[in-house]
Amino acid sequence: DSGVTQTPKHLITATGQRVTLRCSPRSGDLSVYWYQQSLDQGLQFLIQYYNGEERAKGNILERFSAQQFPDLHSELNLSSLELGDSALYFCASNRGPGEQFFGPGTRLTVL
Amino acid sequence: QQQVKQSPQSLIVQKGGISIINCAYENTAFDYFPWYQQFPGKGPALLIAIRPDVSEKKEGRFTISFNKSAKQFSLHIMDSQPGDSATYFCAATTGSGNTGKLIFGQGTTLQVKP
Repeated sequence: DSGVTQTPKHLITATGQRVTLRCSPRSGDLSVYWYQQSLDQGLQFLIQYYNGEERAKGNILERFSAQQFPDLHSELNLSSLELGDSALYFCASNRGPGEQFFGPGTRLTVL
Repeated sequence: QQQVKQSPQSLIVQKGGISIINCAYENTAFDYFPWYQQFPGKGPALLIAIRPDVSEKKEGRFTISFNKSAKQFSLHIMDSQPGDSATYFCAATTGSGNTGKLIFGQGTTLQVKP
């Protein structure tokens, strides 16, 4: 158990809908990272927050957004969902450069 | 320049054999190279990591070899066991400040046959 929690574990929704994925980092970790894992794209970095501020952005679509709250939990919002958004979404956390601890992921299925 | 290339895509090894997975990178600003292990239905978990100031790091049966001039690094799993069957990802990051986004290789699915 990495200490990072993610909810929900599974999410099934329809095209055009909006969903919110939630992540709670390890106690004391200020950074939260979001990654998308799909069969064709592998593990791709989406976005990083550090202590409530956006720190780095990767290949994140404009339909996707994220935020980190004062209690350091983070939410990833995916809107206008398409079939191709079906993937595993992981969040990870750490206290500084180096090892990132990954959560168990949320499996999103868009029908 | 941000890519990390990993090979092979899949690997089958007999129990007790050596598993070798290779990665190459272009960005010389990368300064931290972790390997992650992922079992089906689980998140990636850090296996072992190396910084470019050393050429080799060993932890138990797992060894990273690092060649800075060639911009290549590899994972060796000695005495491979069926429990090692998983997907392995190499990664790289600059680690500067607190922007430590990981750039992952495409992954290697390892099967260790009993």
